[in-house]
Amino acid sequence: DSGVTQTPKHLITATGQRVTLRCSPRSGDLSVYWYQQSLDQGLQFLIQYYNGEERAKGNILERFSAQQFPDLHSELNLSSLELGDSALYFCASSLNRGKNTGELFFGEGSRLTVL
Amino acid sequence: QKEVEQDPGPLSVPEGAIVSLNCTYSNSAFQYFMWYRQYSRKGPELLMYTYSSGNKEDGRFTAQVDKSSKYISLFIRDSQPSDSATYLCAMSEGPDNQGGKLIFGQGTELSVKP
Repeated sequence: DSGVTQTPKHLITATGQRVTLRCSPRSGDLSVYWYQQSLDQGLQFLIQYYNGEERAKGNILERFSAQQFPDLHSELNLSSLELGDSALYFCASSLNRGKNTGELFFGEGSRLTVL
Repeated sequence: QKEVEQDPGPLSVPEGAIVSLNCTYSNSAFQYFMWYRQYSRKGPELLMYTYSSGNKEDGRFTAQVDKSSKYISLFIRDSQPSDSATYLCAMSEGPDNQGGKLIFGQGTELSVKP
């Protein structure tokens, strides 16, 4: 158990809909990362938050947004869903007092299926 | 061309074999190199972590980094059925560039047969 909690574990929805994925980082970790894993693209970095502020951005679509709240939990919002958004979405956390070098702790993921 | 290339396998070996997993990369700014293990329906977990070039050993696992060739390897000695998983290499430019953003390889699916 990594200590990172993600909900929901599974989600089935229709095209055009909006969903919210939730992540609670390990106790004490300040950084939260979101990754998307699909068969054809592998694990792709979406976005990082550090202590409530956006820190780094990857190939995140404009239809996707995220935030980190004062209690450090994070939410990833996916809107106007398309079939191609079906994937595993992972949240990871790290202590990251400005010196994180990639040692991340991943949750078990949220599997999104868009029909 | 992807920044990080990894043979997806699958790779099947008998129990007790030595396993060699490899990744190549194109970004010379990468300084931190990791191997993550991902069991089916689970999140990746950090297995090995190396800074710059060199070797690192942890039990049956050895990670090697050759920055001059832009090539990293993971060796598993005396492989066990419990090692059956997908192994992902990952790389980072470091804390001064885009935080801890990792670039992952596609992952190699390993199966160790009893």
